[in-house]
Amino acid sequence: DAGVIQSPRHEVTEMGQEVTLRCKPISGHNSLFWYRQTMMRGLELLIYFNNNVPIDDSGMPEDRFSAKMPNASFSTLKIQPSEPRDSAVYFCASRGQGEQPQHFGDGTRLSIL
Amino acid sequence: AQSVTQPDIHITVSEGASLELRCNYSYGATPYLFWYVQSPGQGLQLLLKYFSGDTLVQGIKGFEAEFKRSQSSFNLRKPSVHWSDAAEYFCAVLGQAGTALIFGKGTTLSVSS
Repeated sequence: DAGVIQSPRHEVTEMGQEVTLRCKPISGHNSLFWYRQTMMRGLELLIYFNNNVPIDDSGMPEDRFSAKMPNASFSTLKIQPSEPRDSAVYFCASRGQGEQPQHFGDGTRLSIL
Repeated sequence: AQSVTQPDIHITVSEGASLELRCNYSYGATPYLFWYVQSPGQGLQLLLKYFSGDTLVQGIKGFEAEFKRSQSSFNLRKPSVHWSDAAEYFCAVLGQAGTALIFGKGTTLSVSS
């Protein structure tokens, strides 16, 4: 079975550039989550969607961050403009209905120079 | 507010020795609890989960965890550690919103020969 697929796996770019991270959830899952992992703050929830609708975006750091889920099989997390402090590993996770755990992708390691 | 505390940042265990990783949670209702493992450069893999019923839950790779409501704990155990168990371990609780996970800061496990 295909798990949660994230792309790219690694991204290195200069500050000020736009960065787009992509996620394909597990087929049939109706909830999707974006997390950020840093040494200082650990794993933080940025935003999550239920049935393609954003439910809670209180974890999004600032207006430079935006996330979309145009359909049940695709989501993006965009940072514009990017800053060095955005450097982190970004994880996407998805979850089915009922008492189901979240399944994580392998993450995107983002470095902003 | 809900929270998860993993008191040990780093633990070293000899190969073949037993392991216990501590996790304490703060949650108003009956918690849904999880343990995930993260190998370097990888995403988070679910080890086990507790939703209800038997307070001793079995997971993959020979791990188990015991839910103790009186101690607000959900400690992870393994009777005999293998070198391949070296990784970072995260305890998590399902938040009151019912969908987003709240993670502890993680415990890094090193295995010595």
